Amino acid sequence: AQSVTQLGSHVSVSEGALVLLRCNYSSSVPPYLFWYVQYPNQGLQLLLKYTSAATLVKGINGFEAEFKKSETSFHLTKPSAHMSDAAEYFCAVSLYNFNKFYFGSGTKLNVKP
Amino acid sequence: NAGVTQTPKFQVLKTGQSMTLQCAQDMNHEYMSWYRQDPGMGLRLIHYSVGAGITDQGEVPNGYNVSRSTTEDFPLRLLSAAPSQTSVYFCASVGGSEPGLYGYTFGSGTRLTVV
Repeated sequence: AQSVTQLGSHVSVSEGALVLLRCNYSSSVPPYLFWYVQYPNQGLQLLLKYTSAATLVKGINGFEAEFKKSETSFHLTKPSAHMSDAAEYFCAVSLYNFNKFYFGSGTKLNVKP
Repeated sequence: NAGVTQTPKFQVLKTGQSMTLQCAQDMNHEYMSWYRQDPGMGLRLIHYSVGAGITDQGEVPNGYNVSRSTTEDFPLRLLSAAPSQTSVYFCASVGGSEPGLYGYTFGSGTRLTVV
């Protein structure tokens, strides 16, 4: 069975500080990995994805994530937080030739002025 | 380009009532899914479809029914609403020959309250 673990249901950072949101997965085969962002009262929007090309993936709004197979991790980072980054972030995994996606429980990011 | 359209956006039901949540996509995606989102639990898969006429159960299918008569539409039916079904429901679709390679496109959600 596949699972996705997001450490920290709430993360709070100051504006301009580094954002680090953690995601670990369990998979018996190399997965595809995704980060989604959800703004209040909206659907989920794809932020970035890893599909076995470069291990460092750049996404929208200055976010990036690094796939580390040895650590089974896909942490999301942004060098400098903006107030507009306040949202909930979900990590998700899918498998090769498989159409199911498994989501983590989400991390709410709060950005303090 | 409308993407994935869900209706209604908000709904209040009484316990025991039935209703259908509508989902339509205009991207010719074969794969469609329904998720429910509850605080602290992320998104849980209710039902999914790999094409017209083919559906299967996800993690939490009890109390829900689906059908897929066309590529575009994937309605979710609540047979007899219960307070435990109070949630935000998302429909999502993905296409391609290797759907796991692509991220889902999500609808904007239906917020359902059962009283």
